[in-house]
Amino acid sequence: DAKTTQPPSMDCAEGRAANLPCNHSTISGNEYVYWYRQIHSQGPQYIIHGLKNNETNEMASLIITEDRKSSTLILPHATLRDTAVYYCIVSRDSWGKLQFGAGTQVVVTP
Amino acid sequence: KAGVTQTPRYLIKTRGQQVTLSCSPISGHRSVSWYQQTPGQGLQFLFEYFSETQRNKGNFPGRFSGRQFSNSRSEMNVSTLELGDSALYLCASSLDWGMNTEAFFGQGTRLTVV
Repeated sequence: DAKTTQPPSMDCAEGRAANLPCNHSTISGNEYVYWYRQIHSQGPQYIIHGLKNNETNEMASLIITEDRKSSTLILPHATLRDTAVYYCIVSRDSWGKLQFGAGTQVVVTP
Repeated sequence: KAGVTQTPRYLIKTRGQQVTLSCSPISGHRSVSWYQQTPGQGLQFLFEYFSETQRNKGNFPGRFSGRQFSNSRSEMNVSTLELGDSALYLCASSLDWGMNTEAFFGQGTRLTVV
């Protein structure tokens, strides 16, 4: 599975959009991009996933570049409850064999 | 509907003992995976089950085993516990197997080996 590179941490002001980058330059054509987040001491929570088209759901938007070598997760209006570690994962295997990296610690401040 | 349920939530065991952790997936979900989370190694994949069959296995020693029952409930077992097995063990379930599905994680079982 392709490896991902994420910044270790980032801050975001409450109410503003949070843009979380992820680099996956070795991604292959059949690998999906998944985003999960983990709030302290809880199990990871699914956010969104995509293959090559941009995706949007009630939680976030996923923008995948045309060459698929990077993506951005957008939280449109960050709240304090969005403070968490965000994981970007690429995988061609089944969903259940996700390879989590170190993720990005996002801190939303008032 | 109820989420993924893991029992027990907390567990303290002694080195050399064995432990069994339980996971009840969301009703109707047939796929279950297990992960180990430690401060040093992060989240690591243990196993994946679908229709009572192990589909994938992570890079863990044979002391770690699991199974899935016909009702999709799953258990994992760790024998001859070591101090390094202290971790948060997470279970996730999904409706089906394969890509393009989302996983729902439980709250985990916090295992402490003393």
